[in-house]
Amino acid sequence: SQKIEQNSEALNIQEGKTATLTCNYTNYSPAYLQWYRQDPGRGPVFLLLIRENEKEKRKERLKVTFDTTLKQSLFHITASQPADSATYLCALLEDYQLIWGAGTKLIIKP
Amino acid sequence: GAGVSQTPSNKVTEKGKYVELRCDPISGHTALYWYRQSLGQGPEFLIYFQGTGAADDSGLPNDRFFAVRPEGSVSTLKIQRTERGDSAVYLCASALGLADYNEQFFGPGTRLTVL
Repeated sequence: SQKIEQNSEALNIQEGKTATLTCNYTNYSPAYLQWYRQDPGRGPVFLLLIRENEKEKRKERLKVTFDTTLKQSLFHITASQPADSATYLCALLEDYQLIWGAGTKLIIKP
Repeated sequence: GAGVSQTPSNKVTEKGKYVELRCDPISGHTALYWYRQSLGQGPEFLIYFQGTGAADDSGLPNDRFFAVRPEGSVSTLKIQRTERGDSAVYLCASALGLADYNEQFFGPGTRLTVL
């Protein structure tokens, strides 16, 4: 079955810079991949979905890429703000189940 | 409109006791999912419902866990003879349907602590 790897170390970024988070999967390329944000004590909140035939998807300051050759998705936040500090999780579908990564904690420093 | 709600927000119980966790999905959402999340981990799939029926319960760890959704709306996750290893945050999510592109909306979770 699929395994998803996200950097377990927290990522510290200076405010105003671009934050880039990585999601790698191990097996076949999924039909789509989702990114969620999770704040402490709350459930995940959906951010973006990208399909396997899409190279890139944008939403305001967010950008997601999907490289099926590398089996990797990158999540970018441009002009980062302290309010962007949270844990970001990627997830992909396998047999109607979402398989999740452990998430990467992002800290934006003022 | 209201989002997904879960009750209680916190539950502390003793080993061996029975607990019920409740999920109220977004009105009109036919798909409902239960997940379990341990500290520092992503959500772990437990079960999902399409309407009233459990479409896939393969994630339930053992027969102490059971979930129902009798009227296709509210769902209850039931855990018998709780063990310390059951301690986690239990998340519920709902979606418009089971199609792979449907966004899941999560509740705030129930933090279960088994002493």
